[in-house]
Amino acid sequence: GENVEQHPSTLSVQEGDSAVIKCTYSDSASNYFPWYKQELGKGPQLIIDIRSNVGEKKDQRIAVTLNKTAKHFSLHITETQPEDSAVYFCAASPGGYQKVTFGTGTKLQVIP
Amino acid sequence: GAVVSQHPSRVICKSGTSVKIECRSLDFQATTMFWYRQFPKQSLMLMATSNEGSKATYEQGVEKDKFLINHASLTLSTLTVTSAHPEDSSFYICSASARGGTEAFFGQGTRLTVV
Repeated sequence: GENVEQHPSTLSVQEGDSAVIKCTYSDSASNYFPWYKQELGKGPQLIIDIRSNVGEKKDQRIAVTLNKTAKHFSLHITETQPEDSAVYFCAASPGGYQKVTFGTGTKLQVIP
Repeated sequence: GAVVSQHPSRVICKSGTSVKIECRSLDFQATTMFWYRQFPKQSLMLMATSNEGSKATYEQGVEKDKFLINHASLTLSTLTVTSAHPEDSSFYICSASARGGTEAFFGQGTRLTVV
């Protein structure tokens, strides 16, 4: 089955700096890569996703890049704000949209 | 985006009793629903996948007789934890997908504490 690794497990940045979270996946059949933000005691919230036919996608301060050859994908958050503090999960899904395998999570702390 | 609602958000039950968690898609028909379990400071682990009107498919290591899943309608799936024990205490999260959809929408989770 699919295996998704995520680094780092914790990340502290100063407000205004950028944050980068990296993931690798194992199943070459995966073609959908969502990123989720989870706040304490809540379910995951989709913040951005990318499909295998695209190398990069951007939504305001958030961007995601995908390298299918290397099976790497990354989340970039620019101009970080304290409200960005949360746990972020990358995920991969083979076969389009169904079964989602999550990474191990990154706890991001943005220091005011 | 679409809304998925879980109920209850928190539940405390005694050892040996059963507890039911509901997952509802409020504004779309969910042909497929997924149930996850999350331990503190850990990732989400898929427990089972349920398709409306058919039996759930459980992941390896998940006891189907302990975690009963019913997906009787296109807007409701339930997870029943039977004969609960303290080790079943966890955060349970559902997600739902529509037919032909390209993403799964997550509920807000249910914190189960077995005492």
